[in-house]
Amino acid sequence: QKEVEQNSGPLSVPEGAIASLNCTYSDRGSQSFFWYRQYSGKSPELIMSIYSNGDKEDGRFTAQLNKASQYVSLLIRDSQPSDSATYLCAVAGSGAGSYQLTFGKGTKLSVIP
Amino acid sequence: NAGVMQNPRHLVRRRGQEARLRCSPMKGHSHVYWYRQLPEEGLKFMVYLQKENIIDESGMPKERFSAEFPKEGPSILRIQQVVRGDSAAYFCASSPNKNTEAFFGQGTRLTVV
Repeated sequence: QKEVEQNSGPLSVPEGAIASLNCTYSDRGSQSFFWYRQYSGKSPELIMSIYSNGDKEDGRFTAQLNKASQYVSLLIRDSQPSDSATYLCAVAGSGAGSYQLTFGKGTKLSVIP
Repeated sequence: NAGVMQNPRHLVRRRGQEARLRCSPMKGHSHVYWYRQLPEEGLKFMVYLQKENIIDESGMPKERFSAEFPKEGPSILRIQQVVRGDSAAYFCASSPNKNTEAFFGQGTRLTVV
């Protein structure tokens, strides 16, 4: 059974601070990792994808991947109230099942003005 | 370029009725995925389809649920004889090929009364 674990939160950070969201996964063969943002009552919105070890930066977002530790993280710099949402970590399956995403339950982030 | 289009956005059905959920993928995308999100639960994979083919339906309940993606027209997720436990948000996602990022539609929120 493939599992993706996230702290459910809520994670509260003041405006302008760095928010750090973490995710661990069980499938050692996974090669593709994604972060989605989901506002309450809305659909998941893809914000970052990462495929190789290390850091990947896109604007205020940085994704970090460590395959040896089976760990993915998302850093949000200069957090804004509009970043308040649930962040979903998604891991693609390995091998022939690479199309199938396994999602964590999400971490609810609250950015306090 | 329109995103993934789902309709209806909200659907109310009485127990025992049928629910039909529609999904038109993004232009140029031939891979469609259906996910279900129960309250307080993570997104769960249901089925993966390409035009006229069901590739993987391992996440779909064996009874009452079916999916199709005809040569012409949207993908359809069909739930027969709905029960209260079917109440959930059903999201469709699409991708240009099976190993790339998947983009989600706005979802259909099914309520069974």
